Amino acid sequence: NAGVTQTPKFQVLKTGQSMTLQCAQDMNHEYMSWYRQDPGMGLRLIHYSVGAGITDQGEVPNGYNVSRSTTEDFPLRLLSAAPSQTSVYFCASRTVASGANVLTFGAGSRLTVL
Amino acid sequence: AQSVTQLGSHVSVSEGALVLLRCNYSSSVPPYLFWYVQYPNQGLQLLLKYTTGATLVKGINGFEAEFKKSETSFHLTKPSAHMSDAAEYFCAVSEQTGTGGFKTIFGAGTRLFVKA
Repeated sequence: NAGVTQTPKFQVLKTGQSMTLQCAQDMNHEYMSWYRQDPGMGLRLIHYSVGAGITDQGEVPNGYNVSRSTTEDFPLRLLSAAPSQTSVYFCASRTVASGANVLTFGAGSRLTVL
Repeated sequence: AQSVTQLGSHVSVSEGALVLLRCNYSSSVPPYLFWYVQYPNQGLQLLLKYTTGATLVKGINGFEAEFKKSETSFHLTKPSAHMSDAAEYFCAVSEQTGTGGFKTIFGAGTRLFVKA
């Protein structure tokens, strides 16, 4: 009964380094998404996917890449980290049948870019 | 594109007092609306949601929200605040995407403080 699992929980990077935040869900949800949470800004949608092989940009996609090769996994890649990407990142998933469906969130990944 | 505005980044109430957190949305079609709560160092959890039907929606922990289409509002209330209600609250709206699914957009959040 794992739900949405994010790794790592904490990460410190230097400017220019690359890394991948992992997200996996075991609920067979078609829809998966990445948000970043910053003080006073709420949650802003980075990228989302409505199924394997389908991804789309959200509100703040610049500097991030995603892919969706399986239903279960939706990794978020930072190719060249910048201090502006210091944030808490949340992965969330749900079924895609209706917009009324509730998002299930992971516990978050706190990223610091020096 | 839809947007969500939460009035007041911080709200402080005394224990036992009424809680009112305000949310307005922009939408040209009937929306799906949500309130989520985030406790410190945790992810978000659903409080309640509006889809169709009754405009007064009841959620967990004594919270409720009323959908008012004419005012494009979905304010969250609780008659009597408890210390355990201290958290950050997010209003959200679900909008259809070009690929046929729905994406969820969040407001900036309102942090609720409860004083003893």
